Amino acid sequence: AQTVTQSQPEMSVQEAETVTLSCTYDTSESDYYLFWYKQPPSRQMILVIRQEAYKQQNATENRFSVNFQKAAKSFSLKISDSQLGDAAMYFCAYRSAQSGTYKYIFGTGTRLKVLA
Amino acid sequence: DSGVTQTPKHLITATGQRVTLRCSPRSGDLSVYWYQQSLDQGLQFLIQYYNGEERAKGNILERFSAQQFPDLHSELNLSSLELGDSALYFCASSVGGALNEKLLFGSGTQLSVL
Repeated sequence: AQTVTQSQPEMSVQEAETVTLSCTYDTSESDYYLFWYKQPPSRQMILVIRQEAYKQQNATENRFSVNFQKAAKSFSLKISDSQLGDAAMYFCAYRSAQSGTYKYIFGTGTRLKVLA
Repeated sequence: DSGVTQTPKHLITATGQRVTLRCSPRSGDLSVYWYQQSLDQGLQFLIQYYNGEERAKGNILERFSAQQFPDLHSELNLSSLELGDSALYFCASSVGGALNEKLLFGSGTQLSVL
């Protein structure tokens, strides 16, 4: 069974600085999707970024980018120019691309604090 | 507002009771996922429906059941409630099509069992 591990329960970053959140996963599959979701204090789950495993190019969304290392099964999220509004829980998630497989598997999350 | 509607937003009940959580996906979206998030925990997958049929099952307790109706709204029924069932229950829908699929979440139902 696939698993997603986020080994950093909490991280802190100074406003305007850069921070990287780690995520590793375990799978025997070659085709899958990876996601980062943000959960601010409102507790709404918001998609930050999405990566297809077959794409070597790392996904980027404005200040958010990923470092996808398929062989190492690593999927880290880099937040540049951190803002106070980035303070939230961040969840890494995995979804198999295998036909007939539908569930998304989430890690336990990393709480990001942004210091003014 | 994601367009995935969950009601109620908050629910307070006592142990042993039964509650029903409701979810309506956006118009045209066929899938519904249910997740449980206990305090400071990750999201645990409960169950998924697609166009009225159960498609995937996670670690859902026997005291919990769900269904998706012909109008595609879904209900999650929790019975014989225990203190440990207190959690934020999310409904989500799979959107974006085959090339851009992702989960779109509702705002959740916060269940407190006293």
